[in-house]
Amino acid sequence: GAVVSQHPSWVICKSGTSVKIECRSLDFQATTMFWYRQFPKQSLMLMATSNEGSKATYEQGVEKDKFLINHASLTLSTLTVTSAHPEDSSFYICRALAGGSYEQYFGPGTRLTVT
Amino acid sequence: AQTVTQSQPEMSVQEAETVTLSCTYDTSESDYYLFWYKQPPSRQMILVIRQEAYKQQNATENRFSVNFQKAAKSFSLKISDSQLGDAAMYFCAYRSLSRNSGNTPLVFGKGTRLSVIA
Repeated sequence: GAVVSQHPSWVICKSGTSVKIECRSLDFQATTMFWYRQFPKQSLMLMATSNEGSKATYEQGVEKDKFLINHASLTLSTLTVTSAHPEDSSFYICRALAGGSYEQYFGPGTRLTVT
Repeated sequence: AQTVTQSQPEMSVQEAETVTLSCTYDTSESDYYLFWYKQPPSRQMILVIRQEAYKQQNATENRFSVNFQKAAKSFSLKISDSQLGDAAMYFCAYRSLSRNSGNTPLVFGKGTRLSVIA
């Protein structure tokens, strides 16, 4: 089946620093990628939708200047958490849409801890 | 906007028994997908079962089956012959069926934590 990877799987950073999370589709071209955030014991909340080659669309309440999303190629989308704070600590999951189909695949997630 | 409601935060089942997880949703659309996802402690989201709204027949995948009631906007998951490995968070999810593209996101319920008792 289709595979989506995320890197890193777990990152610890200090408050005020920036962290980049990569989401890659390994065996298909992903025309659209979705980024979700999941706080402990909660559900997944959509942060933004990114289409290859265009600006991401952010959900209401998500700061686009804080969560920078780049979808520069059909196999890679990145989420950069800028000036991270402890309240940004969460589990970030990407989901990729295979171009030419309606199938979507989850990445394994990235656990971010901001100290 | 669509909403998904899972009214059971936690459920438990004896090994080998059957359990049903509830899910209701609200939408004004007629075409859509419904999903059940499993999230084990590894937190990898695993697709359990999918139902297309235009299909009247309930989807089944081995020990997993759904009871899809479109008029009632209900989509419950039945797990038969429960196994220890079934213990996880289960999320019900809705996705619009866009005729122009597939780039519609999933809307999730809050989840149900299932425990399996040996």
